[in-house]
Amino acid sequence: AQSVTQLGSHVSVSEGALVLLRCNYSSSVPPYLFWYVQYPNQGLQLLLKYTTGATLVKGINGFEAEFKKSETSFHLTKPSAHMSDAAEYFCAVTTPNSGNTPLVFGKGTRLSVIA
Amino acid sequence: KAGVTQTPRYLIKTRGQQVTLSCSPISGHRSVSWYQQTPGQGLQFLFEYFSETQRNKGNFPGRFSGRQFSNSRSEMNVSTLELGDSALYLCASSELAGRTDTQYFGPGTRLTVL
Repeated sequence: AQSVTQLGSHVSVSEGALVLLRCNYSSSVPPYLFWYVQYPNQGLQLLLKYTTGATLVKGINGFEAEFKKSETSFHLTKPSAHMSDAAEYFCAVTTPNSGNTPLVFGKGTRLSVIA
Repeated sequence: KAGVTQTPRYLIKTRGQQVTLSCSPISGHRSVSWYQQTPGQGLQFLFEYFSETQRNKGNFPGRFSGRQFSNSRSEMNVSTLELGDSALYLCASSELAGRTDTQYFGPGTRLTVL
């Protein structure tokens, strides 16, 4: 069975500092990985996704993530935090050709940005 | 294109009642998935519909049911509501069936059970 672990339910950074949100996955086959962001009282918005090919994936709003198979990780980064980045971030995993296994989400990491 | 819409946005019910939530997917999308989001359990998959057929169902009791219409709009129903059903219910649509196609989420329906 697949699973996702997001280390740190709450991360706080200063405006302009590096953002690093950690995601580790468990999957017996090559996974597809996603990062979603959720702003208060809104649904989830896709930031970026990894399927195959280049392991460094660039997304919207300056975010990027790197798929590291050896570390089973897919950490999300942004060089310089902005106040508008304050939100909850979810990492999710699924696998192609895995029958009816649904998208599995991590518990989420709430990002706070301090002025 | 308009995004995924969900109605109503907020709902208050009492224990024992039933509720129906509606989801209209992005035009052209044929797959609709439903998720329950709570502070304790996070995001949990409820079910997925594609072309009016339920393709997959999560680990929820039979009180939770859904359906999809020929225009791809979907409804989910919860009968005999319990306090623990209070949650944000999210609907997501995608062009194709399955989890690998990008899912686009609606704003959710926040259900409060008193």
